[in-house]
Amino acid sequence: GAGVSQSPSNKVTEKGKDVELRCDPISGHTALYWYRQSLGQGLEFLIYFQGNSAPDKSGLPSDRFSAERTGGSVSTLTIQRTQQEDSAVYLCASSLGGGRSYNEQFFGPGTRLTVL
Amino acid sequence: GQNIDQPTEMTATEGAIVQINCTYQTSGFNGLFWYQQHAGEAPTFLSYNVLDGLEEKGRFSSFLSRSKGYSYLLLKELQMKDSASYLCAVSGGSSNTGKLIFGQGTTLQVKP
Repeated sequence: GAGVSQSPSNKVTEKGKDVELRCDPISGHTALYWYRQSLGQGLEFLIYFQGNSAPDKSGLPSDRFSAERTGGSVSTLTIQRTQQEDSAVYLCASSLGGGRSYNEQFFGPGTRLTVL
Repeated sequence: GQNIDQPTEMTATEGAIVQINCTYQTSGFNGLFWYQQHAGEAPTFLSYNVLDGLEEKGRFSSFLSRSKGYSYLLLKELQMKDSASYLCAVSGGSSNTGKLIFGQGTTLQVKP
């Protein structure tokens, strides 16, 4: 497709379960970002990938959160032992490249995660 | 620390002009972005400023003053479809990854 896609669009899970969220960036985009948008809050940076490596993981809120990227393309965000405070919309964005130069980020539609 | 402030809500009338302000304090600065986000949808890019001054693009304009840590988004000839959240974001912070630091967003309601 032409844009960033994410799956699932909605995920309801029980507290303590693990979840995996998937992001397919725009083809050719080397930079990939994960953000979280909680109710009434702004978007919060989680992690940045350049290719398959993650030089900036500073936004991951705890060690229950992890992410990987394979083949310089698809990325998966995994949340282990989910808690109710993890409920949010998880947004993925990609751009041609990260760093100092101007790089517009294109966002996916997000995955709405609800932890019961 | 990193701080970006913008009003939570604004209301304006169809056909009018509205200005949404954003102030920021960040440890680094590689540019300021404005995004539009309709409810339940992905944010979409509106504008980018890295130098002081006004950037105009159709009905939308964005202004930046780096010395004041201040930006605004100006929307002219408002239409009902402009009802959305407007997100101010700074690229930079303490790293050079291009990550965006967002304000809380301004929800704009356009009334007939």
